Amino acid sequence: DVKVTQSSRYLVKRTGEKVFLECVQDMDHENMFWYRQDPGLGLRLIYFSYDVKMKEKGDIPEGYSVSREKKERFSLILESASTNQTSMYLCASSLAGLAGTSDLVYVFGPGTRLLVL
Amino acid sequence: DQQVKQNSPSLSVQEGRISILNCDYTNSMFDYFLWYKKYPAEGPTFLISISSIKDKNEDGRFTVFLNKSAKHLSLHIVPSQPGDSAVYFCAASAWNAGNMLTFGGGTRLMVKP
Repeated sequence: DVKVTQSSRYLVKRTGEKVFLECVQDMDHENMFWYRQDPGLGLRLIYFSYDVKMKEKGDIPEGYSVSREKKERFSLILESASTNQTSMYLCASSLAGLAGTSDLVYVFGPGTRLLVL
Repeated sequence: DQQVKQNSPSLSVQEGRISILNCDYTNSMFDYFLWYKKYPAEGPTFLISISSIKDKNEDGRFTVFLNKSAKHLSLHIVPSQPGDSAVYFCAASAWNAGNMLTFGGGTRLMVKP
């Protein structure tokens, strides 16, 4: 069963802590994404990656960084956690295939609910 | 500027009736549309998609309709079941944007027994 896994389902951190969220996919997907989901704001893209060691900023990259050292793993880093980063974080992956086809289907992980106190 | 909008944040429907979830978009370059379903504390799961060359796609109880001239798509669930209660996101992709999806804000569907 192909899937995307995230290292933690729930995390509680203190303001100012450095936080690592790990995501691993076993589908040999080229693309990986980090989103956050907040009530009323839908899914907002933080960062994405098209290839190993490659990263691109999404819509809300401030306060975050990412790392992709291996194809299957994409890490999200909160350099200094703040209370406004309390959210549900979702990792996703997809093929790099043809635009306008089912290659576009993103597979999401279960999410990490982060609480920053 | 939101390119994909779901104007109804919530919808309540009786079990057995039809649920209609709506989505509007502004980018005329969008040519592929998807619906995702999300339960609390889980990641979104892919439900159904439609290419801009079609105006309807059906999969069991789920049908997606696309009206390109109105830049509008809708998801119909017939008959609705309590297990359909979830947040539904529509998403769109433009042919010139690689594999990037733009998501709407979501609609929370509640199906009452």
